[in-house]
Amino acid sequence: EPEVTQTPSHQVTQMGQEVILRCVPISNHLYFYWYRQILGQKVEFLVSFYNNEISEKSEIFDDQFSVERPDGSNFTLKIRSTKLEDSAMYFCASKYFSQETQYFGPGTRLLVL
Amino acid sequence: AQTVTQSQPEMSVQEAETVTLSCTYDTSESNYYLFWYKQPPSRQMILVIRQEAYKQQNATENRFSVNFQKAAKSFSLKISDSQLGDTAMYFCAFMKLSGAGSYQLTFGKGTKLSVIP
Repeated sequence: EPEVTQTPSHQVTQMGQEVILRCVPISNHLYFYWYRQILGQKVEFLVSFYNNEISEKSEIFDDQFSVERPDGSNFTLKIRSTKLEDSAMYFCASKYFSQETQYFGPGTRLLVL
Repeated sequence: AQTVTQSQPEMSVQEAETVTLSCTYDTSESNYYLFWYKQPPSRQMILVIRQEAYKQQNATENRFSVNFQKAAKSFSLKISDSQLGDTAMYFCAFMKLSGAGSYQLTFGKGTKLSVIP
């Protein structure tokens, strides 16, 4: 069964450094999402991406964040200058055009020191 | 804006017993989906069950079923014959369908379920 994959599974970085989180959505899906989950808290929506552009973003998704689909298969989340409060689990999800269910990847655990 | 409330931070159930997890939501939308996702210790989010708001019949998936009360904005999850593998965090989630949008999910805070042998 097709699944969403994410790399790396864990990343440790220093405050102020740039990180790129990578996702490979399910191949025929057209909607892509990033969510984050700070430890012990609920999952929060960051951004959605459709037709090669951002379709919606939350207030969390400020100028430090960007997303890209560079090659038709990968979907990346970049954090330009990480802060301590960016430490969280980041989930990628994808959805087929005519279906309602989002399929999640296993997540990337980001730790900012 | 939508809100999802899960009032039970933690619950436990004996193996083979039945447990019900509560979820309420607040929305002015008439057309939406509701979901229950499971997050085991591995942290991956796995879809358990989904319900379309315009369908009155409650969704079922094997041992999992929901009690959807649209007027009360309630969406509880019943797990029958609980198994050790059901131990996980369970998240209720809402997705609106109307208007232009990205179909983003709004999650509750989760209920940590422990199945006791």
